[in-house]
Amino acid sequence: AQRVTQPEKLLSVFKGAPVELKCNYSYSGSPELFWYVQYSRQRLQLLLRHISRESIKGFTADLNKGETSFHLKKPFAQEEDSAMYYCALRTGGGNKLTFGTGTQLKVEL
Amino acid sequence: NAGVTQTPKFRVLKTGQSMTLLCAQDMNHEYMYWYRQDPGMGLRLIHYSVGEGTTAKGEVPDGYNVSRLKKQNFLLGLESAAPSQTSVYFCASRDGTSVNEQFFGPGTRLTVL
Repeated sequence: AQRVTQPEKLLSVFKGAPVELKCNYSYSGSPELFWYVQYSRQRLQLLLRHISRESIKGFTADLNKGETSFHLKKPFAQEEDSAMYYCALRTGGGNKLTFGTGTQLKVEL
Repeated sequence: NAGVTQTPKFRVLKTGQSMTLLCAQDMNHEYMYWYRQDPGMGLRLIHYSVGEGTTAKGEVPDGYNVSRLKKQNFLLGLESAAPSQTSVYFCASRDGTSVNEQFFGPGTRLTVL
């Protein structure tokens, strides 16, 4: 069965420090992975997807099929990066998404 | 464009009461989804729809029913609310392209006493 694991409930870093939010997945098919972000008092929104290989707001994520991982990285954390981050895996018919449990990122001054 | 809207924003029910949550989207999207968000459990899919007149079960469908009579609306019903259904409910929609981005509503906070 498909599963997305985000091992950290809370990640606290100082401003300017590197950030890595971990995501591992389990899926028998060809994986399609996403990172969604929920800022305080805002709705959940797409941050980036692995197919696009893009950098959004300084964040990048590389799909590693060997390690079944899709970790989210940013070299220098900013205060405005504080938010809840969800890793998601597209699964099966209906283009459903299976979400991880989320990681709360707190960037401290 | 309003995007995805949800009604109501907040609701308190007593055990056994029924209610309907409304999700509306003005983007002409084919697919619509209902999720619940619980602390430490992330978002879990309740039901979804791949087009007008269709519905399908997600990961946690028990205790909920849905209807998609119009393309722009997706209704989530609780026939007999239970305290275990206290949660934040999110609706999402997406179009039929390969981009695969889901657009989310602002959420409905439901408390069942």
